[in-house]
Amino acid sequence: QQKVQQSPESLIVPEGGMASLNCTSSDRNVDYFWWYRQHSGKSPKMLMSIFSNGEKEEGRFTVHLNKASLHTSLHIRDSQPSDSALYLCAAVDTNAYKVIFGKGTHLHVLP
Amino acid sequence: EAAVTQSPRNKVTVTGGNVTLSCRQTNSHNYMYWYRQDTGHGLRLIHYSYGAGNLQIGDVPDGYKATRTTQEDFFLLLELASPSQTSLYFCASSTGGQDTQYFGPGTRLLVL
Repeated sequence: QQKVQQSPESLIVPEGGMASLNCTSSDRNVDYFWWYRQHSGKSPKMLMSIFSNGEKEEGRFTVHLNKASLHTSLHIRDSQPSDSALYLCAAVDTNAYKVIFGKGTHLHVLP
Repeated sequence: EAAVTQSPRNKVTVTGGNVTLSCRQTNSHNYMYWYRQDTGHGLRLIHYSYGAGNLQIGDVPDGYKATRTTQEDFFLLLELASPSQTSLYFCASSTGGQDTQYFGPGTRLLVL
């Protein structure tokens, strides 16, 4: 079973709308999460990381983390066509020095 | 930003062929990784290393060998390539095992 589950697999939002992406780990040893963004034909690039319970905001992007449920979510407000990409969630197990990536969510922002 | 380069960028080989994918990072990172990315599977870790001469097995190692010759260079070897190894391969590097990974541009491999 996939240890990092992302939902939805695909998401379509209109330009200016809010996109909400979810990620949950089934590994209780996970300490924190990363969010990567991968534009079509490009390599993944770090978008945001979150280490503590609560919320972290950077511009139009907000990440939430609930450590008890090992759930993180990424919210993009005022979505732009340039936000269209594959968003990858990664769970980090610091004891095992291990990182596990989810399958990703394909976000399409329609002009 | 951290620099990771990969070569070749595209490769076509036949079943049973020998393939070597190269990765170089110039960031003095200790850790280097090889992933494959396939539709429906996401990024899957093949092998990784935390220093020259070191090799650790990832999640999908079958059919792959790897070698870390220097801190900068990490190679992925497919000695008897099979069509199931057709994929997009990414190399990445990081300072430590829990630190941000920086990815190279990828190598697209087609095994006929």
